[in-house]
Amino acid sequence: QLQLQESGPGLVKPSETLSLTCTVSGGSISSSSYYWGWIRQPPGKGLEWIGNIYYSGSTYYNPSLKSRVTISVDTSKNQFSLKLSSVTAADTAVYYCARLLMVYANYFDSWGQGTLVTVSS
Amino acid sequence: QTVVTQEPSFSVSPGGTVTLTCGLNSGSVSTNYFPSWYQQTPGQAPRTLIYSTNTRSSGVPDRFSGSILGNKAALTITGAQADDESDYYCVLHMGSGVSVFGGGTKLTVL
Repeated sequence: QLQLQESGPGLVKPSETLSLTCTVSGGSISSSSYYWGWIRQPPGKGLEWIGNIYYSGSTYYNPSLKSRVTISVDTSKNQFSLKLSSVTAADTAVYYCARLLMVYANYFDSWGQGTLVTVSS
Repeated sequence: QTVVTQEPSFSVSPGGTVTLTCGLNSGSVSTNYFPSWYQQTPGQAPRTLIYSTNTRSSGVPDRFSGSILGNKAALTITGAQADDESDYYCVLHMGSGVSVFGGGTKLTVL
């Protein structure tokens, strides 16, 4: 069964770069049928899509975050990563990684449990 | 900027039927956007309910159904149960590779 697990620092200082990794187990990140995505949820608020990446490295980003976001993939480790630069308190959120099925459908079919990242000095 | 609209809150009586909607700030929602629906309870990751407008995800009870109603995507819960009390999010996948979440609907069953 596919599992996704987010990992990274739970506390980041303002103006620094948030870095998270999602480790995929029970399936290959190199499957041609899927993209891999990051979604976040500020405390008490709704879900916000950050971006998706294909195993080849092709990316799509939320236009509102595009200038600060980089998503990368490491197929040898079955991982993909998120970097968000110049963070502020508004970037405090639970960050989820998820798998996006792209063949004959288009939806997030598997989610990680999420990890809380707090931006504070 | 694409904005996906959902009712902020809704309430339904146990055993009742409720329809939540998912619209666009400009234009109509069609199957081309592959509307999907997710259920989230506090402290938990979202759970996939419906994808490609009206296909239930594995293990989802048939009291959940999806459709296009007018110019919006819709999630209907028929015979609501207490544990359906959750937040519900729709997602539209734009042709440009961008995914857009709605603001979510908080459903109360009382």
